[in-house]
Amino acid sequence: ELKVEQNPLFLSMQEGKNYTIYCNYSTTSDRLYWYRQDPGKSLESLFVLLSNGAVKQEGRLMASLDTKARLSTLHITAAVHDLSATYFCAVDTNAGKSTFGDGTTLTVKP
Amino acid sequence: DTGVSQNPRHKITKRGQNVTFRCDPISEHNRLYWYRQTLGQGPEFLTYFQNEAQLEKSRLLSDRFSAERPKGSFSTLEIQRTEQGDSAMYLCASSFSWEGNYGYTFGSGTRLTVV
Repeated sequence: ELKVEQNPLFLSMQEGKNYTIYCNYSTTSDRLYWYRQDPGKSLESLFVLLSNGAVKQEGRLMASLDTKARLSTLHITAAVHDLSATYFCAVDTNAGKSTFGDGTTLTVKP
Repeated sequence: DTGVSQNPRHKITKRGQNVTFRCDPISEHNRLYWYRQTLGQGPEFLTYFQNEAQLEKSRLLSDRFSAERPKGSFSTLEIQRTEQGDSAMYLCASSFSWEGNYGYTFGSGTRLTVV
């Protein structure tokens, strides 16, 4: 059974600082997704990572994938308050369904 | 196209009642997924369809749960004899077929409260 673990689960950081969220998964997969969820809202797709070594960047967020280590990272650069949300990683099995981590709740303080 | 649409947005029901939720996917997407999310957790896979065929069901989906996708368009998820443990956000997502999949589009969800 595929397991996806994120850490940390809660992250409080100051504006302007950098930090990294980690996503580990237990079985081979080469499709990994990052989503953002605001309170009471649905999931917004941020990144789709499809191959080993994939790196994608959008604004202050950068995601990478190492399939050999079964690890993805979401790096936050110079955080701003608007980035406060819960971030989920999700990994696809061959069946095309996703297994999600429990999420990292990010709070950016001024 | 306005994305994935789910109705109702909120549903409060008494224990033991039946409820039905609807999901209208993006029209070009042939795959449709149902997930359940409880507070503080990531979404959990329930079932998915390719066109009208239901291809997989999670063991989380007890006999009280049934999903349909007639004609490969919208989908319904029905819960019979609801229990308090069914209280959750039910999310629908759609995508192209997996081989060409570049991500899923999620709807806004239906929040179910069983009292």
